[in-house]
Amino acid sequence: AQSVTQPDIHITVSEGASLELRCNYSYGATPYLFWYVQSPGQGLQLLLKYFSGDTLVQGIKGFEAEFKRSQSSFNLRKPSVHWSDAAEYFCAVGAQAAGNKLTFGGGTRVLVKP
Amino acid sequence: EPEVTQTPSHQVTQMGQEVILRCVPISNHLYFYWYRQILGQKVEFLVSFYNNEISEKSEIFDDQFSVERPDGSNFTLKIRSTKLEDSAMYFCASRPGLGGWEQYFGPGTRLTVT
Repeated sequence: AQSVTQPDIHITVSEGASLELRCNYSYGATPYLFWYVQSPGQGLQLLLKYFSGDTLVQGIKGFEAEFKRSQSSFNLRKPSVHWSDAAEYFCAVGAQAAGNKLTFGGGTRVLVKP
Repeated sequence: EPEVTQTPSHQVTQMGQEVILRCVPISNHLYFYWYRQILGQKVEFLVSFYNNEISEKSEIFDDQFSVERPDGSNFTLKIRSTKLEDSAMYFCASRPGLGGWEQYFGPGTRLTVT
């Protein structure tokens, strides 16, 4: 069975500082990996995705993530955080079966200090 | 940019009542999903739907739940007899199919069962 762990429930970061959110997954084959962001009262917006190829993927809003198979990780990074990045971030793994259900981690809430 | 829409944004119902949550997926997408997020918990997969039939469902998706694509645009989730524990945010998602693995989510319907 697939699973996702996001070890950090909350992270507080100063505006302009760098951000890294951790994600570890468990899946029997090569995973499809995703990061979503949820702002208060909003739905889930896709930030970036990894299917295959280059292990460093770029997403929207200046985010990037690196797939490390040896560590079963897919950490999300942003070099310089803006106040508007305050939100909850979810890592998800997708099954390669036809249904492709997503399994989500518990989320990391990011607070941005001025 | 095309997006998934959901109605209503908030539904309050009494225990034992039937509710129908509505979604309009992105128009050329082939796969459709429902997920739910109980307050403070992970986003959980409920069901996936393709070619007018359920392709996968979770243990949560029991006989009280059903899905339907009544026409070419709508995708509905029906809960026949709501329970208090059905209170959650329900998200609809769709994906293109044919190699498009990323799922696009709607803004959600908050269901409150009293």
